[in-house]
Amino acid sequence: EAGVTQFPSHSVIEKGQTVTLRCDPISGHDNLYWYRRVMGKEIKFLLHFVKESKQDESGMPNNRFLAERTGGTYSTLKVQPAELEDSGVYFCASSQDRSRQFFGPGTRLTVL
Amino acid sequence: GNSVTQMEGPVTLSEEAFLTINCTYTATGYPSLFWYVQYPGEGLQLLLKATKADDKGSNKGFEATYRKETTSFHLEKGSVQVSDSAVYFCALSFSGSYNTDKLIFGTGTRLQVFP
Repeated sequence: EAGVTQFPSHSVIEKGQTVTLRCDPISGHDNLYWYRRVMGKEIKFLLHFVKESKQDESGMPNNRFLAERTGGTYSTLKVQPAELEDSGVYFCASSQDRSRQFFGPGTRLTVL
Repeated sequence: GNSVTQMEGPVTLSEEAFLTINCTYTATGYPSLFWYVQYPGEGLQLLLKATKADDKGSNKGFEATYRKETTSFHLEKGSVQVSDSAVYFCALSFSGSYNTDKLIFGTGTRLQVFP
């Protein structure tokens, strides 16, 4: 069974540009989470989908971030426009019964 | 608020040495506690977990005991190997239908084991 996959693995963009990160959860997992780790700091929760609905988006930093999960399968996280402080590693995780989250390898975002 | 504090790294050890990585938490309520590990180039993997006080989680020779009285969940291993070199994250969550089960992480501790 395939694990959680994320694309791209690394993205380098300039300040003010737009970037879209993609996450494909494990098949059948209704729960999908986004987290990010800014340089050297703790991994912080961004939001949680149950199927296509946003269950908890309390961690989204501001309205430059937009997450979608159309059809309850893969999810995208768009940052528009990107700022320097958005640099970090963005992790996606999925869960079937919410007792355990399976993480993807992360997308490293560098904003110059 | 809810938070996790873990010891600063890197922790550098020789192979077969004893490992302790300290983790303490602050929480309103009774969270589940986790240790995740990130090997180089990979995503986070659940290493072990404990869901209530005095539970001991164990996996791959690693152990951690949920200590409510000291609000701690220290990670230990009796004899580390070079292959244990990774970043270790302590985390908590409140699982259940009426709670968000988002994970709250510590800053991570890098472990380097030398032969």
